Amino acid sequence: AQKITQTQPGMFVQEKEAVTLDCTYDTSDQSYGLFWYKQPSSGEMIFLIYQGSYDEQNATEGRYSLNFQKARKSANLVISASQLGDSAMYFCAMRVPMDSSYKLIFGSGTRLLVRP
Amino acid sequence: EADIYQTPRYLVIGTGKKITLECSQTMGHDKMYWYQQDPGMELHLIHYSYGVNSTEKGDLSSESTVSRIRTEHFPLTLESARPSHTSQYLCASSEFLAGGQTDTQYFGPGTRLTVL
Repeated sequence: AQKITQTQPGMFVQEKEAVTLDCTYDTSDQSYGLFWYKQPSSGEMIFLIYQGSYDEQNATEGRYSLNFQKARKSANLVISASQLGDSAMYFCAMRVPMDSSYKLIFGSGTRLLVRP
Repeated sequence: EADIYQTPRYLVIGTGKKITLECSQTMGHDKMYWYQQDPGMELHLIHYSYGVNSTEKGDLSSESTVSRIRTEHFPLTLESARPSHTSQYLCASSEFLAGGQTDTQYFGPGTRLTVL
């Protein structure tokens, strides 16, 4: 079964420090993709970063990087130099086949609180 | 990135009323999606569309219906709202990128629906 697991319901980090949010996935597909989204208290989902299963290098986008360990089926999000504005819910999602296209399945999320 | 708009942002309504949640995007994306999200929980796909006159039900059973008469517009309708419909509804759109890249889903700001 295809599944995303986020085992950290909540995390704290001190401002300016780095934090890692965990995500493990389960799929039997050879081709898949992993996404991270940020959801502030206002409710919108903001796309952060994407990693394809065949990408050899870990994805990076500014202060966000994805620690992709294929053998362990993990795709952890690393946020460097945390800022107060990083406080939000973070969702890991996996692209899975649907009809002739794809859909996303989401994990339960991790609430990150950045302390000043 | 996609510009996706949802109205209203917040809606409080009585049981039995008919409501329509609006979603429109300006990027010409063929694919559009509706997700339902209870507070602090994961997103569940309830409807999707691959283009004009194409609509399909998603993973989570929903009493809502959708239509896709124009590419840019994907409204969701509840014929008779009930308290169990209280949730956040998020609309997303995506386009397929050539060259083996994935289609990233971009989300609107969401509608928070409360049915009394």
